[in-house]
Amino acid sequence: ILNVEQSPQSLHVQEGDSTNFTCSFPSSNFYALHWYRWETAKSPEALFVMTLNGDEKKKGRISATLNTKEGYSYLYIKGSQPEDSATYLCAPAPRSGNTPLVFGKGTRLSVIA
Amino acid sequence: DADVTQTPRNRITKTGKRIMLECSQTKGHDRMYWYRQDPGLGLRLIYYSFDVKDINKGEISDGYSVSRQAQAKFSLSLESAIPNQTALYFCATSGSRDRINQPQHFGDGTRLSIL
Repeated sequence: ILNVEQSPQSLHVQEGDSTNFTCSFPSSNFYALHWYRWETAKSPEALFVMTLNGDEKKKGRISATLNTKEGYSYLYIKGSQPEDSATYLCAPAPRSGNTPLVFGKGTRLSVIA
Repeated sequence: DADVTQTPRNRITKTGKRIMLECSQTKGHDRMYWYRQDPGLGLRLIYYSFDVKDINKGEISDGYSVSRQAQAKFSLSLESAIPNQTALYFCATSGSRDRINQPQHFGDGTRLSIL
């Protein structure tokens, strides 16, 4: 099973602050990297899927970068808002044929107004 | 209407009972998954299916079984429920067989409590 680490486990920021968190995965066994946003009492929703080293994706104030050689991805939120409060999950897809995603435990973000 | 529908949304039952959770999708996806979520443990994969009648064990399959008789439906069964199977269960789907970089789409979840 792929070892996926997300840090920090939880984070509290003030409204308007920018923040970032990390997803680490084995660089030797990588095919794609997914980010999901999971609000309380809802289901996870896909944010980004990245496959190439150096990939950078953006959706509004949220962006993500990917380094497949060293095995990490960063998720950035610029000017955090209370509605950004959620758990952010990363999920690498291993390079082993038809193998499903492995989800990290997530980073729980709370934005304080 | 939701693309991925789970039924029931909530269920309370007793130890030893047989329980079936249903998942249906209108997205036309080949791949379907069952996860459970426990506090502090994130999403853990129970079973997955890449096509009709294709069944694969996930990380925590013991105590569960699944059925994929049609592309649109993937059911999860607990043959004899036990209290530590109390959790939030999610069904998810994703795009066609060879496109593992397709995102997963989740149902709204089934909250299961076993007394």
